Amino acid sequence: QSALTQPASVSGSPGQSITISCTGTNSDVGSYNLVSWYQQHPGKAPKLMIYEGSKRPSGVSDRFSGSKSGNTASLTISGLQAEDEADYYCCSYAGDNTWVFGGGSKLTVL
Amino acid sequence: EVQLVESGGGLVQPGGSLRLSCAASGFSFSSYTMNWVRQAPGKGLEWLSYISRDSSDVFYADSVKGRFTISRDNAKNSLYLQMNSLRAEDTAFYFCVRDQHYAFDYWGQGALVTVSS
Repeated sequence: QSALTQPASVSGSPGQSITISCTGTNSDVGSYNLVSWYQQHPGKAPKLMIYEGSKRPSGVSDRFSGSKSGNTASLTISGLQAEDEADYYCCSYAGDNTWVFGGGSKLTVL
Repeated sequence: EVQLVESGGGLVQPGGSLRLSCAASGFSFSSYTMNWVRQAPGKGLEWLSYISRDSSDVFYADSVKGRFTISRDNAKNSLYLQMNSLRAEDTAFYFCVRDQHYAFDYWGQGALVTVSS
């Protein structure tokens, strides 16, 4: 149950696009198309942004998109806005009703 | 409106026990699998435990296996986490989380557990 690997920080200017990577193993990200992404603002509970790798829950902006290649999943945010500044976590199903999170990435909007 | 409200957090000495509760409302609690996720102050998220709809299946992260016990009471729309043999590294916010499509779609506000002498 080792944590997935995410960059500690990413940044971009308003209007730009950024991508956050999430690298796992053949036992989690590589085995299942069940990666989810969460946005967390300071002092708040996490919010689901992407599930099943690329699906958006109702109410989540289409500026957020997800993808996967091999053992690495990615979250792309296009048209960056100030309110996107937050911590982002990936999470993968790892079989046998267990999950593993990434270490989190702090997004700064310059 | 889906609501998950945790309670029972607080200060406990190393080696002590604590029981967290989560009151669910706004959805058919018995129809959903539930989980606990924690976050140490200033740190990342850690999945802890899963329970099936009828409590027949429970699973734990290695870090809490043998010390924590997840349970639920569908008649009371409540989820629980019994935490024993607590350690300093268990200090964290504990979130009650609903899962759907193998993702965590609703979160409580979190209950702070502090393990310190």
